[in-house]
Amino acid sequence: GQSLEQPSEVTAVEGAIVQINCTYQTSGFYGLSWYQQHDGGAPTFLSYNALDGLEETGRFSSFLSRSDSYGYLLLQELQMKDSASYFCAVTNNLFFGTGTRLTVIP
Amino acid sequence: DAGVIQSPRHEVTEMGQEVTLRCKPISGHDYLFWYRQTMMRGLELLIYFNNNVPIDDSGMPEDRFSAKMPNASFSTLKIQPSEPRDSAVYFCASRQGIQPQHFGDGTRLSIL
Repeated sequence: GQSLEQPSEVTAVEGAIVQINCTYQTSGFYGLSWYQQHDGGAPTFLSYNALDGLEETGRFSSFLSRSDSYGYLLLQELQMKDSASYFCAVTNNLFFGTGTRLTVIP
Repeated sequence: DAGVIQSPRHEVTEMGQEVTLRCKPISGHDYLFWYRQTMMRGLELLIYFNNNVPIDDSGMPEDRFSAKMPNASFSTLKIQPSEPRDSAVYFCASRQGIQPQHFGDGTRLSIL
């Protein structure tokens, strides 16, 4: 079967750094993806890790350790507009985690 | 690029009625996905197609749900008869090969 675990909520201060973790259990692993979803909006792609290590895209970075079945999304220099839900996904995005609601406070 | 287009954006109907949701994927994308999102169950994959052929429909909740993709530019998700527990946001997404998925804006469905 497939399962992904993420924290349900995270709160962080504007300008700070926040890390959102994802642990997964899956058959047939092709990589870990991250999506952002604002309230009332659609999920939008942020980052993808097929191999171990860190991928950086501007203020966002994503890390994967396949041996630990673990990854995280790192958001730096937080802005108020980063308040949203963040989802990890596996198996070519067929399965999504339950999402982490990030609230950025002034 | 117009993105994935879903219609209608909102649908309110009475239980027992037939509901049809529509999706136009991005041109050239060979995969199409239907998801359902609720607070309780999160984002669930219902069915996906590759080159218009259904590959995995194990996520379709029951026989009341059906999906078709008659050509590369159009897909429908039908619920007949609808029930209040079907109320959710339904997303369509498409992608090319192993590239990231692009989601439509979703259809917010309310069954009274």
